[in-house]
Amino acid sequence: TQLLEQSPQFLSIQEGENLTVYCNSSSVFSSLQWYRQEPGEGPVLLVTVVTGGEVKKLKRLTFQFGDARKDSSLHITAAQPGDTGLYLCVFWAGSYQLTFGKGTKLSVIP
Amino acid sequence: GAGVSQSPRYKVAKRGQDVALRCDPISGHVSLFWYQQALGQGPEFLTYFQNEAQLDKSGLPSDRFFAERPEGSVSTLKIQRTQQEDSAVYLCASLNSGGGAGYNEQFFGPGTRLTVL
Repeated sequence: TQLLEQSPQFLSIQEGENLTVYCNSSSVFSSLQWYRQEPGEGPVLLVTVVTGGEVKKLKRLTFQFGDARKDSSLHITAAQPGDTGLYLCVFWAGSYQLTFGKGTKLSVIP
Repeated sequence: GAGVSQSPRYKVAKRGQDVALRCDPISGHVSLFWYQQALGQGPEFLTYFQNEAQLDKSGLPSDRFFAERPEGSVSTLKIQRTQQEDSAVYLCASLNSGGGAGYNEQFFGPGTRLTVL
């Protein structure tokens, strides 16, 4: 059984601070995605990675992926209130199913 | 419409009632997924359709759950004899390809929040 763990579970920071959240899998992924979900909405894709060791940037967000393709981190620089949401790590092993982590709930206080 | 829509947005049911949740995917999208999201958790896979074919239903929690997509577009998730543990947000997502779910973007609807009293 594939396990996907995200940490921390909750994070509350002041506007302008930096933060890092983590995703660890017990298995090697074919791809790993990060989604963000705001209250009352469905998740929205941020990034997809398929190559170990890859680094992707999306404005103030930096996604790093482990060489062994079993872990990932998301770093946000100078967090803003608009970054508030549930950050979900999503593992895909090649079947029809995607496995979502429990998420990191981020609150950015103005 | 431009995105995935779901109805109703909120549903309150008494234990034992049957409910039907509707999903309108993005027009032309081949793949459709249903997920269950409990409070404070990430979405959990329920079932997957490719056009009208249900190719994976391994995530359905019990035989009280049934999903269909008869014409390959709109889908309905039906829950019979609802129980309190069925209370959750039910999300629908569509994808424009027939495979490679982890390489492509799933477009999610806003979900239906089901509360079973």
